[in-house]
Amino acid sequence: EVQLLESGGALVPPGGSLRLSCAASGFTFSSYAMTWVRHAPGKGLEWVSSISGGGGSTYTDSVKGRFGISRDNSKNTLYLQMNSLRAEDTAVYYCAKGVDFLPSYMDVWGKGATVTVSS
Amino acid sequence: DIQMTQSPSSFSASVGDRVTITCRASQDISNYLAWFQQKPGKAPKSLIYAASSLQSGVPSKFSGSGYGTDFTLTINSLQPEDFATYYCQQYNSYPYNFGQGTKLEIK
Repeated sequence: EVQLLESGGALVPPGGSLRLSCAASGFTFSSYAMTWVRHAPGKGLEWVSSISGGGGSTYTDSVKGRFGISRDNSKNTLYLQMNSLRAEDTAVYYCAKGVDFLPSYMDVWGKGATVTVSS
Repeated sequence: DIQMTQSPSSFSASVGDRVTITCRASQDISNYLAWFQQKPGKAPKSLIYAASSLQSGVPSKFSGSGYGTDFTLTINSLQPEDFATYYCQQYNSYPYNFGQGTKLEIK
């Protein structure tokens, strides 16, 4: 069974940093793209970043230069390094598995990690 | 960027109804369109990909159609567990934007 488990969510002050992890199991992790999607309180879903099986990455404009997506295929783990955090980054962050080596549709989602940016 | 617009943003329906949600892309996205269901406090669930292909394990009461810029999600015979928020998402080009969501409530 494919499973994704996020961790690392926390309360951080504005300007702070945080790293989210997503532990994957039940599939050949290195063969699939992975994506982070967030859901801010009272808002809709927002695509944040995707990474191919080989490590090529892309980001939404609002996080470029502040967030970094990465993966360790030897540990079956996806990461999201978040720096210079702002109040508007407060959200539940979901990792999701793609269906191909390159980013496209996401078929399986984790349960999410809560990030709160507040002083 | 490609903007995705869903309609309606919310509406009420009754158990047993057939409902249709519309999603419009600001430019041609071919069939690179997915639909997701999300319930309060839960992770999104994948329903439809490639505009009309049913994700494995999703009941056939859900169906999708469309190509280019106009797409629909249809849910037949609504049951209590179907009342949720539905999102479309394009994956034709970055950023992979979602629609604003359609909240389906019980009448």
